[in-house]
Amino acid sequence: AQKVTQAQTEISVVEKEDVTLDCVYETRDTTYYLFWYKQPPSGELVFLIRRNSFDEQNEISGRYSWNFQKSTSSFNFTITASQVVDSAVYFCALSETGSGWSYQLTFGKGTKLSVIP
Amino acid sequence: NAGVTQTPKFQVLKTGQSMTLQCAQDMNHNSMYWYRQDPGMGLRLIYYSASEGTTDKGEVPNGYNVSRLNKREFSLRLESAAPSQTSVYFCASSYREGQPYEQYFGPGTRLTVT
Repeated sequence: AQKVTQAQTEISVVEKEDVTLDCVYETRDTTYYLFWYKQPPSGELVFLIRRNSFDEQNEISGRYSWNFQKSTSSFNFTITASQVVDSAVYFCALSETGSGWSYQLTFGKGTKLSVIP
Repeated sequence: NAGVTQTPKFQVLKTGQSMTLQCAQDMNHNSMYWYRQDPGMGLRLIYYSASEGTTDKGEVPNGYNVSRLNKREFSLRLESAAPSQTSVYFCASSYREGQPYEQYFGPGTRLTVT
């Protein structure tokens, strides 16, 4: 069963629009961690945020914000006033405890965001 | 401070050839990982090393072997390359102390098997 679902395969927005990338996860653990990564066209993976399951406060970092809702098993990512430099593939990932921390990340398939000038 | 480095950046192999992908990190991280990225598939874990001296299989280990040479270095070997192993390979490392921390990724190796 897919544990991290990013239903939006590709999104296109016009520069300065706001955009939300969806992430839905599945786990039986009560303690887990969620992550977002960015992969720009150059190919490297850039860490954006880590959030544990006990912290449901929304996070804001500049134009980026994250909405974590345990009730819907979602960890959505919003970019405000998008810019061309935001064009990238964005990955959501999950790390579960299971019988002990294995420190593995399970990635979603990614959402490709294109910001059109 | 180079972070995570990988060599080579590009490689073309013929079916049946072998090669080793090298990875090194200078962040004093305990854990290291090898992923492959295929179009539309996200990243899938091949092998990981939770700490020096240990290695474990991930989601897609068949056709690969790994060696954790020391705390800094973690290599991935393809003994007999197959076209299905055409992919981009990423090495990553992370701190490990009681909870999962973020992983830092190398620049990737683009491998083509003909």
